[in-house]
Amino acid sequence: QQPVQSPQAVILREGEDAVINCSSSKALYSVHWYRQKHGEAPVFLMILLKGGEQKGHEKISASFNEKKQQSSLYLTASQLSYSGTYFCGTESNNAGNMLTFGGGTRLMVKP
Amino acid sequence: ETGVTQSPTHLIKTRGQQVTLRCSSQSGHNTVSWYQQALGQGPQFIFQYYREEENGRGNFPPRFSGLQFPNYSSELNVNALELDDSALYLCASIPRGRDTEAFFGQGTRLTVV
Repeated sequence: QQPVQSPQAVILREGEDAVINCSSSKALYSVHWYRQKHGEAPVFLMILLKGGEQKGHEKISASFNEKKQQSSLYLTASQLSYSGTYFCGTESNNAGNMLTFGGGTRLMVKP
Repeated sequence: ETGVTQSPTHLIKTRGQQVTLRCSSQSGHNTVSWYQQALGQGPQFIFQYYREEENGRGNFPPRFSGLQFPNYSSELNVNALELDDSALYLCASIPRGRDTEAFFGQGTRLTVV
């Protein structure tokens, strides 16, 4: 069953902050975050693992609540380049990067 | 750029036909996953290949099949195309080891008419 992302869409002004949430009905081993711009490949942002380890880009922050099977991506001081669709991908076991993606959150940053 | 190339970029096929999509992985990446992305939706996992063997499969029928070659490039084959197969097909090249990022290609846009 795919994770549920919220909100479905958000519009920001440059410099504003946003939080994107990802919620699963299954126990999770990891959560992966990607951003996809229109007509482009999804680009890796971060992996959050059960037990607290995180791997990703320094300017991106996220949290993973294992008990609630939820993850949140925090976008601070947004820039125009942050625009795109954000996807969370989840794994329920350490199967090796076979992800179940959510439906996406469309983010638009305006000047 | 991720260094992962897919071909062709666009393709139009007729219902009932067969199609082969290709993916060239990054050097040193021994695992490739294929995803189907319908318009406005998130990618759906089709299957994964590791060292030329199918390593895992999503909820797709057997008419979706794949190959991985010794140089780790990969193919996705779809037989008996249906209108609902129209989508963007993405391949993801994955480095050795677990808990790593996947490098996606730009995809092949398949339209079935």
